[in-house]
Amino acid sequence: EDKVVQSPLSLVVHEGDTVTLNCSYEVTNFRSLLWYKQEKKAPTFLFMLTSSGIEKKSGRLSSILDKKELSSILNITATQTGDSAIYLCAVIAGGGADGLTFGKGTHLIIQP
Amino acid sequence: DAGVIQSPRHEVTEMGQEVTLRCKPISGHDYLFWYRQTMMRGLELLIYFNNNVPIDDSGMPEDRFSAKMPNASFSTLKIQPSEPRDSAVYFCASSFSSTEAFFGQGTRLTVV
Repeated sequence: EDKVVQSPLSLVVHEGDTVTLNCSYEVTNFRSLLWYKQEKKAPTFLFMLTSSGIEKKSGRLSSILDKKELSSILNITATQTGDSAIYLCAVIAGGGADGLTFGKGTHLIIQP
Repeated sequence: DAGVIQSPRHEVTEMGQEVTLRCKPISGHDYLFWYRQTMMRGLELLIYFNNNVPIDDSGMPEDRFSAKMPNASFSTLKIQPSEPRDSAVYFCASSFSSTEAFFGQGTRLTVV
């Protein structure tokens, strides 16, 4: 059974801090890893990572995949209160036609 | 495109009643996914369709759950009879091939 584990489950930091969220996976025939941000409503897409060692960046957010360690990290620098959300990691595996397997998410709270 | 559209947004029903959740995927997407999200279990894939055909329904918890996709622009998830433990947020998502999935706003179901 495919498994995606995120850590920490919950994190509270002060505005301006840098945070690193972790995702590890055990799946058969890995294809891609995705990060989503979920505020009050639907998860919104952040990054899709397929190749190891290539950083993807969007503003203050960045992410990288390590296929040897079967893991990925999501970094957020100079955090703002608007970054408060649940960050979900998901993996596409198998024949590529499978649905996403999600981790339980990291609940990030940014205090002013 | 308005994105993935789900209805209703909220549903409160009594135990034993039939519940039907509806989803309109993004036009042109060939994959449609139904997910359930709870605090305890996070996001779980229930079933997904490719070109309107159900591919994997192994995530459907019981025979009380059924899903259909009669055409490329509409899908339903039905629970009959509903139970209090079915209370959750149900998300529909769609994607084009094995790329990132776009989520609807979800249906918050409460069974009392």
